[in-house]
Amino acid sequence: QVQLVQSGAEVKKPGASVKVSCKASGYTFTSYYMHWVRQAPGQGLEWMGILNPSGGSTTYAQKFQGRVTMTRDTSTSTVYMELRSLRSEDTAVYYCARDGVVPAAYDYWGQGTLVTVSS
Amino acid sequence: DIQMTQSPSSLSASVGDRVTITCRASQSISSYLNWYQQKPGKAPKLLIYAASSLQSGVPSRFSGSGSGTDFTLTISSLQPEDFATYYCQQSYSTPHSFGQGTKLEIK
Repeated sequence: QVQLVQSGAEVKKPGASVKVSCKASGYTFTSYYMHWVRQAPGQGLEWMGILNPSGGSTTYAQKFQGRVTMTRDTSTSTVYMELRSLRSEDTAVYYCARDGVVPAAYDYWGQGTLVTVSS
Repeated sequence: DIQMTQSPSSLSASVGDRVTITCRASQSISSYLNWYQQKPGKAPKLLIYAASSLQSGVPSRFSGSGSGTDFTLTISSLQPEDFATYYCQQSYSTPHSFGQGTKLEIK
């Protein structure tokens, strides 16, 4: 069965970086794009970007350009999202989500990783 | 960027009620519209894709309609497990923006 398992919660200081992982299993890793979506406490969902696990190409939301990098390791079927220059407003749950059998519908999601930015 | 606007932001209803949530896009998105359900502390769950197609395993009381800029999600007979927050999302172009959410509460 398809599973996306994310790394554990992180606490970071302002100005630091965080790297969240998302390990995929149960399907052909390189056949499905992966998105990253975040959700601040009590707020809605915010799309951050998309990664093609096959070639590694990415598209990022303008808001995060220059601060985010999405990468993958095909040997371990894992995607990564690194966010730099963290500020308190980046405190959120970060989700990876698979772009599904029907393109552009997110059919499987990771469990979420809480990143807390606090001095 | 395409803006997605949901209404209402919150809704109180009773078990057995028929409920409709609307979503409007700031420009035409054809049928590139998805609906997700999210319960507290959980990841979103895909309910409807391509505006009106029911995701596998989702109960048939959920339905979606619309194209262009105006879309609806309908729950024909609310069940206790349906009380949650619902989000629409356009996947016509990046960034794949979401609506602000509709919180469905028990009356």
